[in-house]
Amino acid sequence: AQTVTQSQPEMSVQEAETVTLSCTYDTSENNYYLFWYKQPPSRQMILVIRQEAYKQQNATENRFSVNFQKAAKSFSLKISDSQLGDTAMYFCAFMKQRGGWTLWGTDKLIFGTGTRLQVFP
Amino acid sequence: GAGVSQSPSNKVTEKGKDVELRCDPISGHTALYWYRQSLGQGLEFLIYFQGNSAPDKSGLPSDRFSAERTGGSVSTLTIQRTQQEDSAVYLCASSSPGTGLRGANVLTFGAGSRLTVL
Repeated sequence: AQTVTQSQPEMSVQEAETVTLSCTYDTSENNYYLFWYKQPPSRQMILVIRQEAYKQQNATENRFSVNFQKAAKSFSLKISDSQLGDTAMYFCAFMKQRGGWTLWGTDKLIFGTGTRLQVFP
Repeated sequence: GAGVSQSPSNKVTEKGKDVELRCDPISGHTALYWYRQSLGQGLEFLIYFQGNSAPDKSGLPSDRFSAERTGGSVSTLTIQRTQQEDSAVYLCASSSPGTGLRGANVLTFGAGSRLTVL
């Protein structure tokens, strides 16, 4: 069974600074996807970034980037130029690739316990 | 619709009563997921529907929990004989089809249904 571990229950950062959230996972699968989701106080889950395991290049989305270390099973999220609106719970998540790269190649999404990020002015 | 719609947004019930929570996924999304989020906790997987395949029910915590998806669209999560420990936010998500990696695995979540069992 796959597990996702987020070892930082809470983090804080000053506005405009950079912060890194940690995530490790355990799997015997070779093909899978990794995600970071954000949940602000509104409770709405929002996709931040996605990484395909077969890609060596780290995914980036504007101020958000990941450090994906497949051998170490590590998937950290870096937030640059932090903004007050980044205050939220951040969840790391894992999805194994079912079968080949086909229409039905998705599976359940397994979440970590989350890191609460507070951005201070 | 434009997003995943869940109803009711809030439900208060008495211990022992049955409740039904509804999820209306994004039109055309073939995969539908239910998660439970207790106060201040992470998301606990409950059940996953994908097209016409048998659902993955491996996360359902007890036989009091069941879910169905009619016509490959709307889903209902039913909790029978509710207990206080069932109090949580129940989140539904759906994902779109697509070839290979494109879009087939990005979940769009609803706003959730908050269940309080007195």
